[in-house]
Amino acid sequence: DAKTTQPTSMDCAEGRAANLPCNHSTISGNEYVYWYRQIHSQGPQYIIHGLKNNETNEMASLIITEDRKSSTLILPHATLRDTAVYYCIGGDAGGTSYGKLTFGQGTILTVHP
Amino acid sequence: DTEVTQTPKHLVMGMTNKKSLKCEQHMGHRAMYWYKQKAKKPPELMFVYSYEKLSINESVPSRFSPECPNSSLLNLHLHALQPEDSALYLCASSQVIFGTENIQYFGAGTRLSVL
Repeated sequence: DAKTTQPTSMDCAEGRAANLPCNHSTISGNEYVYWYRQIHSQGPQYIIHGLKNNETNEMASLIITEDRKSSTLILPHATLRDTAVYYCIGGDAGGTSYGKLTFGQGTILTVHP
Repeated sequence: DTEVTQTPKHLVMGMTNKKSLKCEQHMGHRAMYWYKQKAKKPPELMFVYSYEKLSINESVPSRFSPECPNSSLLNLHLHALQPEDSALYLCASSQVIFGTENIQYFGAGTRLSVL
């Protein structure tokens, strides 16, 4: 699995966009980038994933650089309920890692009123 | 529905007790996982089951014994645990583990305290 690097913490004002960066310079060609978040004392929640193209769903947008060495998760209008730890994970879609997701330390996002 | 249900939510046990954690999903997923999460740390994979067969054991001590009785259920049997085993135990499931995107859906976890 690709090693990922994320800032330890970030702050965001409520209603503004939250842009969470992730560096995954060792990602291989068949590894997806997954984003999960974990709100305090709950299980991780899947947000979005992508391989090469930018992706958008009802929760967020994922921007992946052309060289695939980094990505940014965008929460377009952050709310207080988006305060959580956000994990960026590189996962092997079909190789020998048996679908293993290796969580890094993540980014603690705090949304302020 | 992307719900993974874990019971119990909280468990306190002594070092000589035997207990079991249960996990259930009805999404038709054929892969199920156990993770362990210590306070202020990321989740760490313990076991992976694929089509009811154990695929990965991440060198977990034998006092943790997983069981997958059918495609919807996953158990984790606990025996002779140590206080350092106190943690949040998370169950997850995904459609399969090979050949496609591996989106894992997690339960809320069982918070275990070993006295």
